[in-house]
Amino acid sequence: GQSLEQPSEVTAVEGAIVQINCTYQTSGFYGLSWYQQHDGGAPTFLSYNALDGLEETGRFSSFLSRSDSYGYLLLQELQMKDSASYFCAVQRAYKYIFGTGTRLKVLA
Amino acid sequence: DAGVIQSPRHEVTEMGQEVTLRCKPISGHDYLFWYRQTMMRGLELLIYFNNNVPIDDSGMPEDRFSAKMPNASFSTLKIQPSEPRDSAVYFCASTLTGEEETQYFGPGTRLLVL
Repeated sequence: GQSLEQPSEVTAVEGAIVQINCTYQTSGFYGLSWYQQHDGGAPTFLSYNALDGLEETGRFSSFLSRSDSYGYLLLQELQMKDSASYFCAVQRAYKYIFGTGTRLKVLA
Repeated sequence: DAGVIQSPRHEVTEMGQEVTLRCKPISGHDYLFWYRQTMMRGLELLIYFNNNVPIDDSGMPEDRFSAKMPNASFSTLKIQPSEPRDSAVYFCASTLTGEEETQYFGPGTRLLVL
């Protein structure tokens, strides 16, 4: 089967760095994406890894290791507005499978 | 650009009634996706279209669900008859060939079946 596991909740303080992990049991996918979703809102695209390694987009970075079936999203200089749910997703052509989601709480 | 547009934003209906959800993708996008999100099952892909043609409907839960895309700017997801377990947020998303790493989601339709 195909599954992507994430921690259900992570808590960090404003200004800190937090890492959200994603482990998967699937193969043959093109890339790993990350999406952010605020309460009551729609998922919005954050980052994408087609290749192993680190991709940096401003305060957000994402990492993929296919040999370890593992990826993570790194959020730096946390802000209150980063409080949201974060989803990893594997992409096989135009078909996405989303992870279980991680709820990030940023404390003042 | 207006983004993906969905209607209605909220729908409350009684069990057994027909429900129709509507979506207008971003202009020029040739892929359209329907997702369902619940606390228990997370975000699930129901069906997706390419150039108005259904490509993969393996996520459609049962025959009560149907989706159509009569033209490039409009799609519907219909549930008939609706059941309480269909209560969820239904998202429509679109993307463009060559940009498959990014999907643009609409605001969603919050459906409650009583």
